[in-house]
Amino acid sequence: KAGVTQTPRYLIKTRGQQVTLSCSPISGHRSVSWYQQTPGQGLQFLFEYFSETQRNKGNFPGRFSGRQFSNSRSEMNVSTLELGDSALYLCASSIVPGQGTDTQYFGPGTRLTVL
Amino acid sequence: AQSVTQLGSHVSVSEGALVLLRCNYSSSVPPYLFWYVQYPNQGLQLLLKYTSAATLVKGINGFEAEFKKSETSFHLTKPSAHMSDAAEYFCAVSAAGGRNTGGFKTIFGAGTRLFVKA
Repeated sequence: KAGVTQTPRYLIKTRGQQVTLSCSPISGHRSVSWYQQTPGQGLQFLFEYFSETQRNKGNFPGRFSGRQFSNSRSEMNVSTLELGDSALYLCASSIVPGQGTDTQYFGPGTRLTVL
Repeated sequence: AQSVTQLGSHVSVSEGALVLLRCNYSSSVPPYLFWYVQYPNQGLQLLLKYTSAATLVKGINGFEAEFKKSETSFHLTKPSAHMSDAAEYFCAVSAAGGRNTGGFKTIFGAGTRLFVKA
């Protein structure tokens, strides 16, 4: 069974631009979560989607948004990019959301660099 | 509110020595606790998880962790370190998403980078 895939793996943008990252969960997984990883802040939760609905959201500004499609694939969008948005963005999928005990399977991440 | 503290951002051990990575949590409800490992340029991989069953949890690659409620700890250990264990390790707690939102979200510790010396 294929793992979580994220595209693109690397991305370079300039300040003020917007970016869209994509995540395809493991087949059969319906919950997708997004995290931002930076050396200074560590791993921070962005949001979680299940059945095309955002169920949880972290403490990020409205420039960060996401969505989930009917096939469980998810995208996240960052508008008006800032230098501080440079990070590794990780996507994770799980089978049963909302249980707390469910194992999350992580993708390799998208490395975003904002110049 | 739930939180996780990992003691020591860097730990260095010799090959064959005991590995001990410390994690303390704060939770107002019985927690679900996890240890993940991250190798360079890769995503996170689950090592083990505690879900209120046995307090001593065995994971992959010879790692185990013990849940101690009285100490609010969930330290990760491995009897004998191997060079391939060099990576960053994250302790995490699963927290309820908030009133009426349903679901859970995972809160990660800052991570501990493990170095293994030959």
